[in-house]
Amino acid sequence: DGGITQSPKYLFRKEGQNVTLSCEQNLNHDAMYWYRQDPGQGLRLIYYSQIVNDFQKGDIAEGYSVSREKKESFPLTVTSAQKNPTAFYLCASTPMGSGANVLTFGAGSRLTVL
Amino acid sequence: GENVEQHPSTLSVQEGDSAVIKCTYSDSASNYFPWYKQELGKRPQLIIDIRSNVGEKKDQRIAVTLNKTAKHFSLHITETQPEDSAVYFCAASRTTGFQKLVFGTGTRLLVSP
Repeated sequence: DGGITQSPKYLFRKEGQNVTLSCEQNLNHDAMYWYRQDPGQGLRLIYYSQIVNDFQKGDIAEGYSVSREKKESFPLTVTSAQKNPTAFYLCASTPMGSGANVLTFGAGSRLTVL
Repeated sequence: GENVEQHPSTLSVQEGDSAVIKCTYSDSASNYFPWYKQELGKRPQLIIDIRSNVGEKKDQRIAVTLNKTAKHFSLHITETQPEDSAVYFCAASRTTGFQKLVFGTGTRLLVSP
């Protein structure tokens, strides 16, 4: 399971609480991504970052926030503003250049709101 | 922006049969089309991809075909085995500069012994 490490694997949250999901990669990849996976809806992009200290909203960014202070790390915060946060969250990374489209995924974090 | 549709959502076959999963895309500028396989409880992994300069690509029992005129591409699995059971996702993107992948909604393939 080297490459991209996500933690925790399982997380339970009470309504109204913010939670942060960790994503660390040792692949020296430039770009990092957060996807949300729900049954029957495929993978939907939340945020992505091409370089340190820069990130862009994806298709479903509302209620989420990210930071990219280090090349290796791209944590995702699920805020209380996210109305339906229960889901499986996948972090991914790619190099820039010719391999830019080939995603390497982490093992995922499953968030359940109680 | 790009929109990718994938069919069917579920597919059941007998071991040894062939399986075909189809995707259509909307952005005529898309020219990179990967397929990811996600086994139960595991991370998605790239199994095959195709670029727009070719119409077909094969890797052992799997193949992908691309029809740019009709804007659709398909995954073909021959001689299916129980270990092929998984969720398969297609995706599309442009390859000029930095472009994010847009995924289809996934197909759950079940191969029965």
